[in-house]
Amino acid sequence: SQTIHQWPATLVQPVGSPLSLECTVEGTSNPNLYWYRQAAGRGLQLLFYSVGIGQISSEVPQNLSASRPQDRQFILSSKKLLLSDSGFYLCAWTKGQAKETQYFGPGTRLLVL
Amino acid sequence: GESVGLHLPTLSVQEGDNSIINCAYSNSASDYFIWYKQESGKGPQFIIDIRSNMDKRQGQRVTVLLNKTVKHLSLQIAATQPGDSAVYFCAEILIYTGRRALTFGSGTRLQVQP
Repeated sequence: SQTIHQWPATLVQPVGSPLSLECTVEGTSNPNLYWYRQAAGRGLQLLFYSVGIGQISSEVPQNLSASRPQDRQFILSSKKLLLSDSGFYLCAWTKGQAKETQYFGPGTRLLVL
Repeated sequence: GESVGLHLPTLSVQEGDNSIINCAYSNSASDYFIWYKQESGKGPQFIIDIRSNMDKRQGQRVTVLLNKTVKHLSLQIAATQPGDSAVYFCAEILIYTGRRALTFGSGTRLQVQP
């Protein structure tokens, strides 16, 4: 069966510090991968998605970037965090063409102080 | 714990009653819809999906209804249990964009009273 992992689970970082959140998927190959951010009281905002290694699409201009160095690894990064980057970050995967349902990881809570 | 949905609309029901959670979607081109359940501090969990060529689909204790005329989606939960307390999101696929990414609604908090 497929599983999706995210780490760390919780992170507290000072403003201006770098960020690296990791997401990995097991039990599947060539998944589509997604990064979402969820602010308190809000729905999920799509940040990035990737249909393959090295292929990244950005949904909104922001302080963050994403990379996909391996088929089942998706990384969310920032060079300098802002207070507004605080939130709950969720990674999701889908098989792609035949199945659109996205399955989510456990999330990373980021607090920027 | 996770402060998801502090200001979300809330539906409060008694244990054992049926719950109906509604969602309006905006894009008539969307042809696939999903309901997710999100418990505090966790990622959303898939509940049930429906394609636009259907108007009803049933799962275990849950039914999704799709009204394409008014672009409305509902989730019915039968015999609601305390474990059903969570925030519920509907999501749609914007197929015309070709990017196969979900657009989420703002969510509804379901509170089940014992």
